[in-house]
Amino acid sequence: DTGVSQNPRHKITKRGQNVTFRCDPISEHNRLYWYRQTLGQGPEFLTYFQNEAQLEKSRLLSDRFSAERPKGSFSTLEIQRTEQGDSAMYLCASSPPGARRTGNTIYFGEGSWLTVV
Amino acid sequence: GESVGLHLPTLSVQEGDNSIINCAYSNSASDYFIWYKQESGKGPQFIIDIRSNMDKRQGQRVTVLLNKTVKHLSLQIAATQPGDSAVYFCAENVNNAGNMLTFGGGTRLMVKP
Repeated sequence: DTGVSQNPRHKITKRGQNVTFRCDPISEHNRLYWYRQTLGQGPEFLTYFQNEAQLEKSRLLSDRFSAERPKGSFSTLEIQRTEQGDSAMYLCASSPPGARRTGNTIYFGEGSWLTVV
Repeated sequence: GESVGLHLPTLSVQEGDNSIINCAYSNSASDYFIWYKQESGKGPQFIIDIRSNMDKRQGQRVTVLLNKTVKHLSLQIAATQPGDSAVYFCAENVNNAGNMLTFGGGTRLMVKP
């Protein structure tokens, strides 16, 4: 499968613990996005990378959240000192270089579900 | 898998009927719109898009209509099939915001056989 890969798919953690999610974009896609989706809501933009540079961060991305893409390939999203409100699905998406602004060039992964108890 | 649409508005249609899903957007600067389909436990999947210089675009069994005057978008699905059952989201984009998308709240489509 050559789609966007995310792991773990599910994570249950106790409040206050740190968690890390990994995203492997489609090969040669230089643009990578993280979104968060809570039950009954549409995805909300968190952050955007072009290659290894983090070019945009949403105000939703509090200082407990940090995303990296050290080599411009895979990305990690770490949440420190998790809170119950962090429970959500974390979606990763990627798109190729030079992509025209068309939705069919943005590919979403299947998400990583986080439950904070 | 977990559902992303437990508390969403629901549209229930008979198999073979046409479905119309509506979306209101708020940003007048948005000039590009996409409809996504999301099945349980999966990420959003592209259906069709439209730019603001158009008011209608057709795909295979789907049509998107855009009314910029009232900031309204609709998705029409012809001859709805059981496989169309999912949650549908509209998303909007502003030209200088790259590919960053703002999603609407979504509608669950249930197709009765």
